[in-house]
This record gives sequence, C-alpha cells and structure tokens, in this order.
Amino acid sequence: AQSVSQHNHHVILSEAASLELGCNYSYGGTVNLFWYVQYPGQHLQLLLKYFSGDPLVKGIKGFEAEFIKSKFSFNLRKPSVQWSDTAEYFCAVRGGNTGKLIFGQGTTLQVKP
Amino acid sequence: NAGVMQNPRHLVRRRGQEARLRCSPMKGHSHVYWYRQLPEEGLKFMVYLQKENIIDESGMPKERFSAEFPKEGPSILRIQQVVRGDSAAYFCASSPPSDGGGYTFGSGTRLTVV
Repeated sequence: AQSVSQHNHHVILSEAASLELGCNYSYGGTVNLFWYVQYPGQHLQLLLKYFSGDPLVKGIKGFEAEFIKSKFSFNLRKPSVQWSDTAEYFCAVRGGNTGKLIFGQGTTLQVKP
Repeated sequence: NAGVMQNPRHLVRRRGQEARLRCSPMKGHSHVYWYRQLPEEGLKFMVYLQKENIIDESGMPKERFSAEFPKEGPSILRIQQVVRGDSAAYFCASSPPSDGGGYTFGSGTRLTVV
C-alpha cells in the first residue's frame, strides 16, 4: 500500500531562515508527487508537483522540491522564509493509475517575524 | 471560473442525525475525491467518484457513510446516524478527465457533532 511520511510535525523558524521539509513515500512503481499548503482557515493550495523530467521542481512563492528516486524522497525547500509562509504543508503521492492522492500527516510551519 | 464549491461551510448535527455534505466540482472536471481531516492529522482519502460511478471507496467506513456523484448535480457525502467521532473537516477535490493531476480542493465542510 502507498504511504507518505513527513518527518517534521512542527517547525519553527525565524524570518529569512532556510527551510527544508522532509517527505518520503513508499510505492514501488511510477509516482506523481505533490506539495500542498494550507493557510489557517483556508483550503489546500498546490505549491508544486512532479510528474516526470527534471527532478528539481520549482513552484509558487519561491518554493522548490527535489525528487530523489533512490531515496523515495521529495523534500520541499525555500531559501528564505517569510512570516506569511506560516501554514501547514502536506506532501502527497499518487501511484500508478489509482487516481487518488495519499497525504502525509502534515508539517506545521511557524515563522517568527 | 468558480473553483470547487462545498456547502455548507459549517454543519452542526446532534448525535444520531444525518449529515449531507455537497461538492460541486470545477467546470470541466468529472472526477471527485472526498477526504477527511481529523484534528492534528493529515487528510485521509475516503472515496473517488466519476459521474454515476464509484471508482474507489477503499477509505470509506463500512457503515453509515455513502457517497454519490449523479449525472446532474453535486456530489454528496452522506453520513447517517452521526457520532462524535465523525466531527472533522471534510474536503472535496476535483480533477479533469485527462491525467493531468490537476486536483483542485474546495474550502471544506467542518462537521461538528454535539
């Protein structure tokens, strides 16, 4: 069965600090990978996605993620966070032709001004 | 171009009542997914539907929960005889027929069972 694991449950950073959120998945076949962000009280918004090609994916708001197939990882990064990045971040995987997304448990990011 | 519309935003039900959650997908999207988010947890897949068909209901509880996506009208997630443990945020997402992975999420329905 597919599963997604996000290593950090709660991250606290100061503004301008660099961010890396870990995501590992388990699935033996071809996968599509996603990062979503959920701001307080709002719905999930897509930050970026990987289907194929360049394993370094750039998304919105300065976020990027790198797909490392050998490590089954898709870590999210941002060089310099802002207070407005305070939110919950979810990694998700879709395996094969299942259609459905499987989510990690989420990481709460708190950025201190 | 309206996004995924869910209603109601908030729903309060007493134990034993029925809850009906509605989801209207984005225009042109024929695939609908329902997820449940419990406090301090991620989103758990419940069911995947296409028009008039349930494709995958592996995440649906065996009892009291049902979902449909009729030819006309919104998708409905129905919870019969609600219990306190059903209190959660229920999110709907939709995607187009092509395999573009373009999932769009609605704002969710927050169900509170009292």
